[in-house]
Amino acid sequence: DQQVKQNSPSLSVQEGRISILNCDYTNSMFDYFLWYKKYPAEGPTFLISISSIKDKNEDGRFTVFLNKSAKHLSLHIVPSQPGDSAVYFCAASALRNAGNMLTFGGGTRLMVKP
Amino acid sequence: NAGVTQTPKFQVLKTGQSMTLQCAQDMNHNSMYWYRQDPGMGLRLIYYSASEGTTDKGEVPNGYNVSRLNKREFSLRLESAAPSQTSVYFCASSEWRERGSNEQFFGPGTRLTVL
Repeated sequence: DQQVKQNSPSLSVQEGRISILNCDYTNSMFDYFLWYKKYPAEGPTFLISISSIKDKNEDGRFTVFLNKSAKHLSLHIVPSQPGDSAVYFCAASALRNAGNMLTFGGGTRLMVKP
Repeated sequence: NAGVTQTPKFQVLKTGQSMTLQCAQDMNHNSMYWYRQDPGMGLRLIYYSASEGTTDKGEVPNGYNVSRLNKREFSLRLESAAPSQTSVYFCASSEWRERGSNEQFFGPGTRLTVL
């Protein structure tokens, strides 16, 4: 039973427009959420995170929104650029777990068309 | 700083063969992890080591063993490879913090094919 789900396997967006990637979770113990970006033949790289005490975190063109009551988070990229084309994973963690373990969603492949 | 390094980058095994995937980090992190990535499944945790001297099972540990050799190195061993273990394997490390981001840093991956 997947505790973190990304229901859209792929998303195509025009350059300059907004990209919205969505993620849902079921475990109410999760209190920290992260987004990772992955290019082919490379390891995932950290993009942005949000604590459950916040509902929004912004870093340049990237903003993550958290709706705790709906157990839903989203990543907004504005404006989208061709270099943003990659697979995006959302991940969740319960801060109290001793091993800092992350639970990942299945990923969404974003394609930004020039 | 090299970050997290993994060897080998590619490997082809026959069913029943054994091999060890090596991982090292130079960020002085306490915690290290092994994941596998399969299409549509995201990254699934195989084993992790919260600190030097400890290892614990993750979501999909069957068919694997690990060794935390020292603070820097964490290896993953397949004793008798099976085709179901064909995957891309990622090693990661992180610093444990009671509060705040528990960002993990990933290596470049090992692509393993079991025939």
